[in-house]
Amino acid sequence: ETGVTQTPRHLVMGMTNKKSLKCEQHLGHNAMYWYKQSAKKPLELMFVYNFKEQTENNSVPSRFSPECPNSSHLFLHLHTLQPEDSALYLCASSRRGTSGVPDTQYFGPGTRLTVL
Amino acid sequence: GDSVTQMEGPVTLSEEAFLTINCTYTATGYPSLFWYVQYPGEGLQLLLKATKADDKGSNKGFEATYRKETTSFHLEKGSVQVSDSAVYFCALSSFSSGSARQLTFGSGTQLTVLP
Repeated sequence: ETGVTQTPRHLVMGMTNKKSLKCEQHLGHNAMYWYKQSAKKPLELMFVYNFKEQTENNSVPSRFSPECPNSSHLFLHLHTLQPEDSALYLCASSRRGTSGVPDTQYFGPGTRLTVL
Repeated sequence: GDSVTQMEGPVTLSEEAFLTINCTYTATGYPSLFWYVQYPGEGLQLLLKATKADDKGSNKGFEATYRKETTSFHLEKGSVQVSDSAVYFCALSSFSSGSARQLTFGSGTQLTVLP
């Protein structure tokens, strides 16, 4: 499945570093999402973008900063992270919802982030 | 708020055994229901979905029926294979602001199928 790609696949960073995660979708979708997947916890929705506008921010700390320059690209900028931020970060995309239509989300492979 | 409760794992079965993974939900309105699968080292893939009560989703031998009366969406497969070993997530969708649907996930169930 190459509809949603994420780079890098693995990232190790120190707490003082600044890095960015990239997501790109080739499905013609107009909604994009960032999720955090930690061990033994349900997937946590972090951000939602709909037509490049951020529509959800689920109480995510400011050390995570999303950017959506167009409907095909989504970034997650990271700075001064903590070791507990180590997780798999998943990007997803979907069509914008219309009444009665389930908008299936398609996921990328994720970026495995380790914060030292 | 919306929530999904999923059978805790891990689940270990022998090849060709029958599989059931239980999923129940709490939601306002009429959500759509999904099962996603995550193979090792990969992202989530949609396995099947159902959009209204009594709908049955099916794919690759897996089935789940949307039961509104019991608020359940249990996943079943009659004969599992080693290649089915993965983590399975039950999820429901609801509208968020701006009409992009959000997904609420269960905690996932690890399935291991032994030859």
